[in-house]
Amino acid sequence: GENVEQHPSTLSVQEGDSAVIKCTYSDSASNYFPWYKQELGKGPQLIIDIRSNVGEKKDQRIAVTLNKTAKHFSLHITETQPEDSAVYFCAASIGYGGSQGNLIFGKGTKLSVKP
Amino acid sequence: NAGVMQNPRHLVRRRGQEARLRCSPMKGHSHVYWYRQLPEEGLKFMVYLQKENIIDESGMPKERFSAEFPKEGPSILRIQQVVRGDSAAYFCASSPGRAQETQYFGPGTRLLVL
Repeated sequence: GENVEQHPSTLSVQEGDSAVIKCTYSDSASNYFPWYKQELGKGPQLIIDIRSNVGEKKDQRIAVTLNKTAKHFSLHITETQPEDSAVYFCAASIGYGGSQGNLIFGKGTKLSVKP
Repeated sequence: NAGVMQNPRHLVRRRGQEARLRCSPMKGHSHVYWYRQLPEEGLKFMVYLQKENIIDESGMPKERFSAEFPKEGPSILRIQQVVRGDSAAYFCASSPGRAQETQYFGPGTRLLVL
């Protein structure tokens, strides 16, 4: 089955710097890759997602890149702010090729942005 | 448009009791997923349901756990004879339907088994 590895597990940056989180996946059939932000005591919140027919997607300070050949994708946050501090999860899904649809999550990256 | 609703938000049970967790998907969403999150861990898929159908339960323990999504009302995740290892946060997500993989999560139910 699919396996998603996420690095680093913790990341500390100064306010205004960039943060990069990387994930790799094992199943080449995976075609959908969302990123979620989880604040303490809350549910995961979708921040950006990318599908396998696209190499890069950007939404204001957040961007995601996908390399299908290498089977890895990355989250880039520019001009970080203290409110970006949270745990970030990457995930992969085979989507609706069969009866699949569930997300396989990485173990998360705890991002701390220091003022 | 209200988001995914889960209740209760916190649930305390003694070993051997039953836990019943409820999830109301976003309006217009007909697909529901349940995930479990242990402390300091990522989310693990448990079960995927559509109205009146279990589509994929490959992540759900074979014993004591069951899930349903009736024609009317919320989806229910039921854990019978709870044990301390069941203590975790249980999250429900919903999506609109076929070919729409985007899943929106609820706030979760935090189950504590004493």
